[in-house]
Amino acid sequence: SQQGEEDPQALSIQEGENATMNCSYKTSINNLQWYRQNSGRGLVHLILIRSNEREKHSGRLRVTLDTSKKSSSLLITASRAADTASYFCATLSGYSTLTFGKGTMLLVSP
Amino acid sequence: DGGITQSPKYLFRKEGQNVTLSCEQNLNHDAMYWYRQDPGQGLRLIYYSQIVNDFQKGDIAEGYSVSREKKESFPLTVTSAQKNPTAFYLCASSWASGRKGYEQFFGPGTRLTVL
Repeated sequence: SQQGEEDPQALSIQEGENATMNCSYKTSINNLQWYRQNSGRGLVHLILIRSNEREKHSGRLRVTLDTSKKSSSLLITASRAADTASYFCATLSGYSTLTFGKGTMLLVSP
Repeated sequence: DGGITQSPKYLFRKEGQNVTLSCEQNLNHDAMYWYRQDPGQGLRLIYYSQIVNDFQKGDIAEGYSVSREKKESFPLTVTSAQKNPTAFYLCASSWASGRKGYEQFFGPGTRLTVL
């Protein structure tokens, strides 16, 4: 069963704007990861945040984690057309494998 | 050039035929995974392997089989028992699964179409 659920399902913005995607999950986690998928391609790992962390940065990416609300957000600042892709959150619980959400499709228009 | 490769990129199969998808990695990763992705959907785990000669079923293993005879290779066979095999198949690898961390590295995928 899929634990992570991304919101919104689709997001359309202009270049230079910020994009925020949210992920909610149901059970306690060890870590939460965000991945990007360009159309018809494999996934690329973006960032991992552990359950004892609240915020993490990587370049133009900022991820927050609120374990009390069982939610995470991914912020992409100053979006570029090349950021157009689907973004997935994935959770790791206990000693199981990653569970992926259905993703948010981001379209950044020039 | 390290990475994970999948072949073929596109595969067409007639109903009733078995077909094998290839996945190879030279990252020296212990764990390997097979996922299925349907349009507009997330990834669903088919099988995974943490060490050579051992593998476990994922959420949707019915109609699929795997082997792990070498650390570098984790082929997936889609059998005729799989009722709706048309999908995008992704292979991934990571350091040992079940640990606290360890991102997965993905191959480019194989798009299987049943005619």
